[in-house]
Amino acid sequence: KNEVEQSPQNLTAQEGEFITINCSYSVGISALHWLQQHPGGGIVSLFMLSSGKKKHGRLIATINIQEKHSSLHITASHPRDSAVYICAVLNRDDKIIFGKGTRLHILP
Amino acid sequence: DADVTQTPRNRITKTGKRIMLECSQTKGHDRMYWYRQDPGLGLRLIYYSFDVKDINKGEISDGYSVSRQAQAKFSLSLESAIPNQTALYFCATISPPPQNIQYFGAGTRLSVL
Repeated sequence: KNEVEQSPQNLTAQEGEFITINCSYSVGISALHWLQQHPGGGIVSLFMLSSGKKKHGRLIATINIQEKHSSLHITASHPRDSAVYICAVLNRDDKIIFGKGTRLHILP
Repeated sequence: DADVTQTPRNRITKTGKRIMLECSQTKGHDRMYWYRQDPGLGLRLIYYSFDVKDINKGEISDGYSVSRQAQAKFSLSLESAIPNQTALYFCATISPPPQNIQYFGAGTRLSVL
């Protein structure tokens, strides 16, 4: 079993829909990251969470430390949100463990 | 200048050749990482370093070596490249706690023929 599991693996939605991507992990962590990778390959960091909730524009990320679960939400989705979203955890040894990513496709 | 710079961006090489991928960062961070990305497998950790005297193996270090020449520079070498090392390689650095923000290089696309 992978230490970081993401769901769904693939998601296609209509423009404007509310999107949720989930991440569950089984190890002790000091931080959890949500990353975005566009078709060109570049990776950008969206959020770093150690507790609670963060919001940036239409993106919201939450984490429940007790349940070892995090969600990434996109409100009013847009075709430019189409990308691969990757959950990654920083474990207590400062190693980074990645989920396999969620491929999101927003249709106009 | 980018926070994390990888060179080259693309490389085609032949089986058995030794190649080096270079990474430099301008953030002044101690923690640096090398990953490879393969379709369907996601990102996997090859090596990581917490300072110039500290090198640690990741989950897929076989066939690779690294050198931390300075705080800003972390190089990845393939001693004798093989086709299954064809992948997209990323270097990254992480800011100190509690921020722990990741900064990625743009990636190196490597093809081993």
